[in-house]
Amino acid sequence: SAVISQKPSRDICQRGTSLTIQCQVDSQVTMMFWYRQQPGQSLTLIATANQGSEATYESGFVIDKFPISRPNLTFSTLTVSNMSPEDSSIYLCSVDWAGNEQFFGPGTRLTVL
Amino acid sequence: RKEVEQDPGPFNVPEGATVAFNCTYSNSASQSFFWYRQDCRKEPKLLMSVYSSGNEDGRFTAQLNRASQYISLLIRDSKLSDSATYLCVVNVKDSSYKLIFGSGTRLLVRP
Repeated sequence: SAVISQKPSRDICQRGTSLTIQCQVDSQVTMMFWYRQQPGQSLTLIATANQGSEATYESGFVIDKFPISRPNLTFSTLTVSNMSPEDSSIYLCSVDWAGNEQFFGPGTRLTVL
Repeated sequence: RKEVEQDPGPFNVPEGATVAFNCTYSNSASQSFFWYRQDCRKEPKLLMSVYSSGNEDGRFTAQLNRASQYISLLIRDSKLSDSATYLCVVNVKDSSYKLIFGSGTRLLVRP
């Protein structure tokens, strides 16, 4: 299995600002994913973070709003840009393990005022 | 129509009860199926994969009916520690690998 850490674990931000969330994995993985889980709802995939190329975004999510970096096989960042209260959510990274199972980080709980 | 649909619950059952969760998916190209468990304020964790032949892991049994696009999870002899939200998850491989999550079914096991 993979051990995943995220920073920060939580934050409270003012609208109009940006927050960068870090995801670190204890081993090299090919595919990393970023999800959003809004209050009381299930997970929605934001994008797939590819090492060495641009992230692949799902419908409804754009690079200008959620820029992603993937500098190596153990690390990725997600930035939530120009935040509004609607961005208040839990943001989770995950990794694909053995091509079938995904392990999740503990999540970053974001509140935008 | 949602891609993965689940009864949101909550299911409120006594310890020792048997409880069954159902899930339907809309994309016939779905290839892999899972049940994840999510405790309050925690990340989802894989409970079990679901195979066409059905599979069992202790008190948990998962079944898949591809013709009906239906997945089930049966929990026998419920424990207090089984209280959580159970997420039905489907892997759709189109141009890339991605998981589609159901909205989850909440289970409360009472003493």
